[in-house]
Formats: sequence, structure tokens, C-alpha cells
Amino acid sequence: DQQVKQNSPSLSVQEGRISILNCDYTNSMFDYFLWYKKYPAEGPTFLISISSIKDKNEDGRFTVFLNKSAKHLSLHIVPSQPGDSAVYFCAASASNTGGGADGLTFGKGTHLIIQP
Amino acid sequence: DAGITQSPRHKVTETGTPVTLRCHQTENHRYMYWYRQDPGHGLRLIHYSYGVKDTDKGEVSDGYSVSRSKTEDFLLTLESATSSQTSVYFCATTPLIGGYGYTFGSGTRLTVV
Repeated sequence: DQQVKQNSPSLSVQEGRISILNCDYTNSMFDYFLWYKKYPAEGPTFLISISSIKDKNEDGRFTVFLNKSAKHLSLHIVPSQPGDSAVYFCAASASNTGGGADGLTFGKGTHLIIQP
Repeated sequence: DAGITQSPRHKVTETGTPVTLRCHQTENHRYMYWYRQDPGHGLRLIHYSYGVKDTDKGEVSDGYSVSRSKTEDFLLTLESATSSQTSVYFCATTPLIGGYGYTFGSGTRLTVV
């Protein structure tokens, strides 16, 4: 059973507009959520995270929103740039299971394509 | 960057042969992880380590073993490679758990023929 779900395999957005990537989770024990960006033939790179005690975290063009009651988070990229074209993974961890050492649970990823 | 080096970067091996992938880090991070990435599956955890000689299984550990004899090295071994283990393997490290981002290596592309 998939605990972190990214239901959109791909998303196409015009340059300069807002990109919104969505993620849903089922495990109520998750208390940290992270977004990673991945280019082909490279490892994922950390973008932004949010704790379950917050509902918003902002870093430059990237903002993550968390709705705990809906078990939903989203990543907003404004404005979208050509270099943002990549696969984006949503990930979650539960700090009170296995001491949180037992890794992140990832979604399947969303391929974001920024159109010029 | 955490200075993570994965070796080899690419490998083709035959079914039934043993294979060892190496992850080397220079940042003295306590926690290390092996993930595999497959189309339609995202990243799935194979094994992880929370200290020297301390390891545990992840979601897809069958057919894999790991060892960590030094802080900087985390080895992933496929005892007898199968075609289902054809994948891209990523190593990741982090100094602290919780909301700290993991740093990933560049990956090893393994093909089992």
C-alpha cells in the first residue's frame, strides 16, 4: 500500500507561471515532509521541507503548503523557469518510528515540464 | 555537498553473479541509506544504517545485504543477481534525522542480463 502518493505523473506549465505539484499521504505518523528535485542521470537534490507543526514554509521561489486534516501537501514554484524542468519527488518521515532513522518514504514522482 | 561517491557508476553483470556497490562519504554523517529507483515506483528503501555495524532492512530488502565497517563506507551486495534487480541504485546520507534533507550520490546503473 503506497503511503505517499503523487497522482500526476507529469505536469506542463508555461514559463513565468505558477507550478503546483501535489502530494497525498496516508500514514498519520508522518511528521516531516520533504520535496526533492531530480535531473536525469543525477541523484535527487533536496529542495524544501516542512514540519507537521507548520502549514507553510517558503524558500525563495519555492513554497510548500501542508494540510494535515486532508493529509495533503503541495509545492508551489513561482515564477516557473526552464531550469525547473525535472522530476519532483515528495517524501515523508516519521520521527517516532524507528527513531526516524528508518528512511524517507517517497512518492513516485511528477515530471514537471516548463514550456518556453 | 556531502561528498558522496558511488562506485561503479555503471555495471552490467550476469544473472547469478554476486555484485557489490560501494558508497563512500567524506562528511562523517551517521545515517546512510540505499535506495533503488525504478519506473513507476519512485525511490524505494533497500537497507539503511544508523551507525557503524548498525544496519536494518527497508521496504525491498530481499536479495540484498549491506555492511558498514567504517563510518564513511556503506556497501550493498547482491548475493546472486537477478534480472529484477536491474535498476538505478542511490546512496544517501544525513547527519540528523527528522526534517533534515538527505544528500544523494549520483547513482549506480546496474543491468543484470
